[in-house]
Amino acid sequence: AQSVTQLDSQVPVFEEAPVELRCNYSSSVSVYLFWYVQYPNQGLQLLLKYLSGSTLVKGINGFEAEFNKSQTSFHLRKPSVHISDTAEYFCAVSDRAGGGADGLTFGKGTHLIIQP
Amino acid sequence: NAGVTQTPKFRILKIGQSMTLQCAQDMNHNYMYWYRQDPGMGLKLIYYSVGAGITDKGEVPNGYNVSRSTTEDFPLRLELAAPSQTSVYFCASSYGRGFTGELFFGEGSRLTVL
Repeated sequence: AQSVTQLDSQVPVFEEAPVELRCNYSSSVSVYLFWYVQYPNQGLQLLLKYLSGSTLVKGINGFEAEFNKSQTSFHLRKPSVHISDTAEYFCAVSDRAGGGADGLTFGKGTHLIIQP
Repeated sequence: NAGVTQTPKFRILKIGQSMTLQCAQDMNHNYMYWYRQDPGMGLKLIYYSVGAGITDKGEVPNGYNVSRSTTEDFPLRLELAAPSQTSVYFCASSYGRGFTGELFFGEGSRLTVL
């Protein structure tokens, strides 16, 4: 079984400041890792994913995340946020060996609030 | 490019009523899923399907049923609606072969049970 912990339910940041959204996971097997973004009244969109290879992955809209196996973390970062980044961000994990046919396990989400 | 289409977008039900949330995808994906999203709780998997004729329970299946008669469609049935089923429901799909876990989501169906 897997679990995902997003340590912050809400993160307020000033526009053009850097931000980090934290994600830790627990799993007894190898996993794939994802960050999804949800804008108000919309479905979830993939922001970035870690499958293998380089532990630093880049996604859309200037976001990046780093996979740290020893700390079982997959924190999301952006060097300078924009008002349009206001959204809910979800970290998710998929069982690598099982092919993930039974879907993703999501964290509870972090609401990123950009202040002008 | 439609992707994953959910209907209806909004619905109010009375306790004890039944209804079906429709989900269709036009990407020829084998895998389909139903999640519910409650405030501060993330997304919980209700049911999933790896292909036509095959369905399986997720984390929170009680009070729901699904069927998968075609690759494209994956309806979610609520029998005897209860206030605890007030939620936003998301349908999602993904590739089967070479699956890595990337899901494509619909825009959601907001259900209120009064």
